[in-house]
Amino acid sequence: DIQMTQSPSSLSASVGDRVTITCRASQSITRSLNWYQQKPGKAPKVMIYSASTLLSGVPSRFSGSGFGTDFTLTITSLQPEDFATYYCQQSYSTPHLFGQGTKVEIK
Amino acid sequence: EVHLVQSEAEVKKPGESLKISCKCSGYTFIHYWVGWVRQMPGKGLEWVGIIYPDDSKTIYSPSLQGQVTISADKSISTVYLQWSSLKASDAAMYYCARLDGGQQLVGDCFDSWGQGTLVTVSS
Repeated sequence: DIQMTQSPSSLSASVGDRVTITCRASQSITRSLNWYQQKPGKAPKVMIYSASTLLSGVPSRFSGSGFGTDFTLTITSLQPEDFATYYCQQSYSTPHLFGQGTKVEIK
Repeated sequence: EVHLVQSEAEVKKPGESLKISCKCSGYTFIHYWVGWVRQMPGKGLEWVGIIYPDDSKTIYSPSLQGQVTISADKSISTVYLQWSSLKASDAAMYYCARLDGGQQLVGDCFDSWGQGTLVTVSS
């Protein structure tokens, strides 16, 4: 199985801050990397697929990058509605495992 | 519009059997993989497995293989997750979700999710 490791597991940030979350795969997954946002009590929602493609309707302050084993989710100018837990997921080979999550909290 | 509606919360005792459901609509059911994702209390997302309704091909996470069964009923566009003998460790929120890539399994994502089914297992 391809294991996914996210860092950090949590972070505190203020509105307007730039936030970066990293995700590392245990082997190359080319660009087959998705990012999900989950708010408390809600189902996850896909934000970015294929490492860098934003879903329709996702604000442009979100961006993704990376190829192979190392990937990044960046939120420029953090907004109140962005406080949530973010998960990466590889879709290169089954099982499509998730990272352990990064909780973005208000400082 | 793609819509996945899950069955209601369940409270069961250890050793009991359970089958939860996920009713899919708004797309051609048989041509997209549908999967299950587990979230234990206060924990992250775990990929349970997926099914391709057209031929009922299933792929399970190795860590959960043999612990659960995924099935589909094409006549009512519904996917199921079942246990023959629940354990306390099965208590979790379970989400169903659709994979957006059609029959392919590379480079796709869960683009539509159900609302979740909370499974409580307690004696």
